[in-house]
Amino acid sequence: DGGITQSPKYLFRKEGQNVTLSCEQNLNHDAMYWYRQDPGQGLRLIYYSQIVNDFQKGDIAEGYSVSREKKESFPLTVTSAQKNPTAFYLCASSEGQGGSPLHFGNGTRLTVT
Amino acid sequence: AQSVTQPDIHITVSEGASLELRCNYSYGATPYLFWYVQSPGQGLQLLLKYFSGDTLVQGIKGFEAEFKRSQSSFNLRKPSVHWSDAAEYFCAVLEYGNKLVFGAGTILRVKS
Repeated sequence: DGGITQSPKYLFRKEGQNVTLSCEQNLNHDAMYWYRQDPGQGLRLIYYSQIVNDFQKGDIAEGYSVSREKKESFPLTVTSAQKNPTAFYLCASSEGQGGSPLHFGNGTRLTVT
Repeated sequence: AQSVTQPDIHITVSEGASLELRCNYSYGATPYLFWYVQSPGQGLQLLLKYFSGDTLVQGIKGFEAEFKRSQSSFNLRKPSVHWSDAAEYFCAVLEYGNKLVFGAGTILRVKS
């Protein structure tokens, strides 16, 4: 079945460490997205990519980095510069044009202590 | 920039009762609007979408939504709520670049 896989589901890190969240899709979608979810704030866009080897900052990109070397993969690195990294992170993909809806993975909950 | 407002943080309804979740958007042109549902600890599932045409759109799980341009609203409705509908619901508007802007969400509780 086609879908989006995020791993791991739960991730724990010590403050000051970088951590990379994985996102893989087999939907053959051109566009991929990373959102951060905090209680009562909805989802906020971190980074998005509309094509391989290209990506743009979203609304809250500071302290995060991404790469898009393959169509299927869009990993997110949470760096030590991110002041409040503990959150639920959601990856999504879409065909990228014409108002195509986003399809979401099941998320990674990151806890930094 | 576009924005989406969901005025109700929590809503509680009895099983079998009707449901309406409110959503207001700000967008200059004709918006592309979506409703998603999220179960705890899971990703988001698309319920329905509105692009143009009929202002009443049908979605999955018996949900429907009505687009009212004059009120900048896109409220979600269901005639009879089931206990399995308890979840968090998000309204979203599509921005240039095929990016979604989300509301803060409404948590639905269903009492038996």
